Amino acid sequence: EIVLTQSPATLSLSPGERATLSCRASQSVSSYLAWYQQKPGQAPRLLTYDASNRATGFPARFSGSGSGTDFTLTISSLEPEDFAVYYCQQRNNWPLTFGGGTKVEIK
Amino acid sequence: EVQLLESGGGLVQPGGSLRLSCAASGFTFSSYGMSWVRQAPGKGLEWVSAISVDGHDTYYADSVKGRFTISRDNSRNTLYLQMNGLRADDTALYYCAKNRESYPSGPNDYWGQGTLVTVSS
Repeated sequence: EIVLTQSPATLSLSPGERATLSCRASQSVSSYLAWYQQKPGQAPRLLTYDASNRATGFPARFSGSGSGTDFTLTISSLEPEDFAVYYCQQRNNWPLTFGGGTKVEIK
Repeated sequence: EVQLLESGGGLVQPGGSLRLSCAASGFTFSSYGMSWVRQAPGKGLEWVSAISVDGHDTYYADSVKGRFTISRDNSRNTLYLQMNGLRADDTALYYCAKNRESYPSGPNDYWGQGTLVTVSS
């Protein structure tokens, strides 16, 4: 099973700051990595897929990058609605796996 | 508008069984892979199972293999998860999710609101 390690566990930032979230895989997942956003009491939402493709409904301040074992989600300038938990997921190998999540909180 | 409505959750004793259902609408159900993902209270997401468009190919997390069975009825636009031999660590909110593609491994672009399963004596 591929283990995804997300860091940091918590990111404390102010609105307008840049957020950089990391997801590292225990073995290569090629570019088959997705990011999800989850707010309290809500279902997750697909944010990016296949490493760098932004899903419908998310603005350009969100961007995904990486390949192989190292991936990054960048939020260029945090808006109040961006404070949430972010999960990465690989779909290169069965079983599919999620990372443990990074909480982006208001500083 | 894509809608996924889960049902069938509840309180069950250890060793018991439940069948979850997910009624889908707003898209051509038979054209997309489907998945179940769960989230224990206060914890992260855990992928549970996925199924191909025709139901012939199914995949499971190691933690549920041999106890859970995923299936679908394309004539009823419904996804199922039969859960047997339930354990306390199966307690979670179970989400039904539509895959973005026909493949069972596709990323999940639409999610239901979840149905809560509590395993306790």
